[in-house]
Amino acid sequence: GAGVSQSPRYKVAKRGQDVALRCDPISGHVSLFWYQQALGQGPEFLTYFQNEAQLDKSGLPSDRFFAERPEGSVSTLKIQRTQQEDSAVYLCASSSHTSNAGELFFGEGSRLTVL
Amino acid sequence: GQNIDQPTEMTATEGAIVQINCTYQTSGFNGLFWYQQHAGEAPTFLSYNVLDGLEEKGRFSSFLSRSKGYSYLLLKELQMKDSASYLCAAPRGYQKVTFGTGTKLQVIP
Repeated sequence: GAGVSQSPRYKVAKRGQDVALRCDPISGHVSLFWYQQALGQGPEFLTYFQNEAQLDKSGLPSDRFFAERPEGSVSTLKIQRTQQEDSAVYLCASSSHTSNAGELFFGEGSRLTVL
Repeated sequence: GQNIDQPTEMTATEGAIVQINCTYQTSGFNGLFWYQQHAGEAPTFLSYNVLDGLEEKGRFSSFLSRSKGYSYLLLKELQMKDSASYLCAAPRGYQKVTFGTGTKLQVIP
């Protein structure tokens, strides 16, 4: 597609449920990022992939969070046993840059509400 | 965001000029980004300063002083559509980009 695509746009989960959020980056973009954005805050880094390799997962808040990008294109962020504090917008971004920082192209985000 | 500071809110008048400041810890950051985010939408790229000085792009300009850990975004000839949050962001290493909390700009008639 022309831009970064994320699905679902909105997800309501009961506390304790597992959720999976999908990101389809811009074709050919090697770098892929996941961010978490709480209301009124800036995006917080979660994890970074270069192709299929997860090079940095230092921002994942707990072991309930897991991300993968098995074929180096589409990525999935999985949250197990969701808690209310997981409620946020999850943004995916991709970039053509690898060895140096460059412009990030963001998707519209997946808004997760945990009841 | 950790180690990046910017004002929470600003208000400016249509047609005026506004400067949004950002300070950050100098160690470990390579350059500085500015992104615009309208409510409920994705952030979009505005500028990336790697070297010191002012870079102008239409109505928007961005300045960086690496030694002072200081940047600003200058918006000229403000329009109502410029009402948005402006995010200052710095890459730590080459890829991990850390964002500030954002400055919510309200443009009034």
